[in-house]
Amino acid sequence: RKEVEQDPGPFNVPEGATVAFNCTYSNSASQSFFWYRQDCRKEPKLLMSVYSSGNEDGRFTAQLNRASQYISLLIRDSKLSDSATYLCVEAGFQKLVFGTGTRLLVSP
Amino acid sequence: GAVVSQHPSWVICKSGTSVKIECRSLDFQATTMFWYRQFPKQSLMLMATSNEGSKATYEQGVEKDKFLINHASLTLSTLTVTSAHPEDSSFYICSARDYRISHEQFFGPGTRLTVL
Repeated sequence: RKEVEQDPGPFNVPEGATVAFNCTYSNSASQSFFWYRQDCRKEPKLLMSVYSSGNEDGRFTAQLNRASQYISLLIRDSKLSDSATYLCVEAGFQKLVFGTGTRLLVSP
Repeated sequence: GAVVSQHPSWVICKSGTSVKIECRSLDFQATTMFWYRQFPKQSLMLMATSNEGSKATYEQGVEKDKFLINHASLTLSTLTVTSAHPEDSSFYICSARDYRISHEQFFGPGTRLTVL
């Protein structure tokens, strides 16, 4: 089983829609998670951290469910510029473990 | 924010040649640098972790004699792909952090390697 698993998508949504992605992880002892955003042929950029209490930043909300070992990312009021691949990342001991990413396409 | 650069941004080479990729932290000291590889439609895979002044730690399945990593200073790490073959064609990304300040990794813009 992969350490971090994501639905690759793509998720096709219209502008203004709300969309949610889930990510599951296998290591029950994992403490820290992140969501990164990666545009085509670019490096990943940190979107937000995810802690046990969750995290909200503007239109973005991340939640951690330890019992079911998944984290989620909710994007409200989608913008065209939100089109990208969203990477779920587990912060292991001294290293980051990346999921394959979920591709989001926001259309006019 | 912290800035990490990579050079070159892309390179095309013939099979059998060696390619060196540089990763620099521009405005902070990188006690640790990481090298990742990403094939199309796949996730970033950590290749190795290097701490300044010591030998790199390679992930399982990564050949240390093929992917030579040098982290001789707090601002520079290099990855040399020796005797490159077409299957080495990939997007190579480095990241850097100063563990004395935080665990956050700052990513370089990546190097796209194409081996003909």
